[in-house]
Amino acid sequence: QAGLTQPPSVSKGLRQTATLTCTGNSNNVGNQGAAWLQQHQGHPPKLLSYRNNNRPSGISERLSASRSGNTASLTITGLQPEDEADYYCSAWDRSLSAWVFGGGTKLTVL
Amino acid sequence: EVQLLESGGGLEQPGGSLRLSCAASGFTFSNSVMNWVRQGPGKGLEWVATISPGGDSTYYADSVKGRFTISRDNPKNTLYLEMSNLRAEDTAVYYCAKRQLDYLDYWGQGTLVTVSS
Repeated sequence: QAGLTQPPSVSKGLRQTATLTCTGNSNNVGNQGAAWLQQHQGHPPKLLSYRNNNRPSGISERLSASRSGNTASLTITGLQPEDEADYYCSAWDRSLSAWVFGGGTKLTVL
Repeated sequence: EVQLLESGGGLEQPGGSLRLSCAASGFTFSNSVMNWVRQGPGKGLEWVATISPGGDSTYYADSVKGRFTISRDNPKNTLYLEMSNLRAEDTAVYYCAKRQLDYLDYWGQGTLVTVSS
């Protein structure tokens, strides 16, 4: 199954803003948007955002998500050391009847 | 509080079989679409299989179709993944994940499966 496309790595300085992108097609991201997951080394994924810009309870307001066409974005403002992690986008693909994931972006906070 | 607890992982030889379990609590399991997602060492997330709330509909990734079977026991609030004809490339941490509408909202801690001779 084809996956979503994410840049492998992004590096930003402390307190700066990082924007992560995720590109799919009209059957997945372009259909109902993407969800974003955060994964710290040795831990399971954690839901950060769903349906483009909804955050589960307890997720920082420094995170916001959006979508334009077939590309979803996650923006993290005021970067903190704890934001350093792997970030994955995910979506249900209606043509494949399958979950598709991005390859993940490793965010480094300098 | 939603909890998903996987078990059953371990070391198995190529061609062997394993059965993973995921014990669920804190939500109405019988109403939820459930999934297995895996992550190979140093790799990204890969969807494995999905099962409908009643268990009547199942979906599989091409990489496991015909070798893996997803099932559930709703009275026991437990999800299963029967894996057979295991290959080295099946080595991964296997997560069970709950679906909410069109996203996966809760994930278990994972169980490690290693396929090696």
